[in-house]
Amino acid sequence: GIQVEQSPPDLILQEGANSTLRCNFSDSVNNLQWFHQNPWGQLINLFYIPSGTKQNGRLSATTVATERYSLLYISSSQTTDSGVYFCAAKAAGNKLTFGGGTRVLVKP
Amino acid sequence: NAGVTQTPKFQVLKTGQSMTLQCAQDMNHNSMYWYRQDPGMGLRLIYYSASEGTTDKGEVPNGYNVSRLNKREFSLRLESAAPSQTSVYFCASSPRQGARRTEAFFGQGTRLTVV
Repeated sequence: GIQVEQSPPDLILQEGANSTLRCNFSDSVNNLQWFHQNPWGQLINLFYIPSGTKQNGRLSATTVATERYSLLYISSSQTTDSGVYFCAAKAAGNKLTFGGGTRVLVKP
Repeated sequence: NAGVTQTPKFQVLKTGQSMTLQCAQDMNHNSMYWYRQDPGMGLRLIYYSASEGTTDKGEVPNGYNVSRLNKREFSLRLESAAPSQTSVYFCASSPRQGARRTEAFFGQGTRLTVV
């Protein structure tokens, strides 16, 4: 099945800093999603982005499907951005596979 | 419009006990999934159901059974709970494979402890 790898595993930011999270996947995808898992364990949908670029406030994401990677950008980070960011990808078939996550801590 | 609803939210079991985790979605999705998340790790697929009447194993199916009761409901059963099954369990649903948009949505999770 598809392999999904995220980097870096951990990220410590000062409030106001910008950062980029990366997701590499091993096969052509028809679904690529980014999630934020908040400190209470909830999985929040951030982006559905099998290709192209999208923006939502201070967050944006780009997927380059032909090169098999996706990037999540956090600009002007806030303490509420802390948590774990997951990407998940689906190739042919129905199995949505998760990466290991990037744990983000934003310090005030 | 509740999305994906899981019950219960928390559960403590003794080793050897059985229980069923319930999941229901109201988005008319064809596909449903059960994942587990162990501390500090990503989500791993236990079982999924591409459509009503079909189920298939995921990455970690041992010790679990599932039932796709109808289009809305997908349950996960632990027949004889073991401490290794202590985890947070997430249910998810998505439109059918081949739909224009196949975004998956997740429930709030069930925190299960087996002692």
